Amino acid sequence: EAQVTQNPRYLITVTGKKLTVTCSQNMNHEYMSWYRQDPGLGLRQIYYSMNVEVTDKGDVPEGYKVSRKEKRNFPLILESPSPNQTSLYFCASSTPGYEQYFGPGTRLTVT
Amino acid sequence: AQKITQTQPGMFVQEKEAVTLDCTYDTSDQSYGLFWYKQPSSGEMIFLIYQGSYDEQNATEGRYSLNFQKARKSANLVISASQLGDSAMYFCAMREVTGNQFYFGTGTSLTVIP
Repeated sequence: EAQVTQNPRYLITVTGKKLTVTCSQNMNHEYMSWYRQDPGLGLRQIYYSMNVEVTDKGDVPEGYKVSRKEKRNFPLILESPSPNQTSLYFCASSTPGYEQYFGPGTRLTVT
Repeated sequence: AQKITQTQPGMFVQEKEAVTLDCTYDTSDQSYGLFWYKQPSSGEMIFLIYQGSYDEQNATEGRYSLNFQKARKSANLVISASQLGDSAMYFCAMREVTGNQFYFGTGTSLTVIP
């Protein structure tokens, strides 16, 4: 089954404790992306990647890191999470120019 | 400036009626893509329909159609014969060819009334 998987689905953590949210796709897509969704703000792109070892900042990259060492994986790293990073996070993948397939979302709470 | 603007935070429609969800966009690119996604209360993002900037015909997918007015920079989603299962959040999005970023609007919450 073609899918984008994210783990964990839910995470509660404390300020400053480094965390990684994993994202994996099995569709051989070149394009992968991370978004955060906040009430009233819609989805905002954090980082995106056109291919392995190629990443670019989206609209809200501050406080986040990404890496794309393999085509299928695109982890999101929060080196020192803060409460303002409490949000719903989505990973997505696509063939460039086509619709994105989204993962199920990761709900992160930073206390 | 906002790249995607959805001015209707909430909409109501009677079951079996048609409804139009508004979306305007801002870009100086000649080549871009416009997308609509549905997010039900369960939270997943579901792709509905796509319109390319060079497509001359309005896109249609079943009960969904995209009313694309390039000169006005609008890409409204029309849902015909609304069903209770259409109650959800709807997001308009744009991809610019230069830069490859995606931009989403703030969404419209649609409620279908029986």
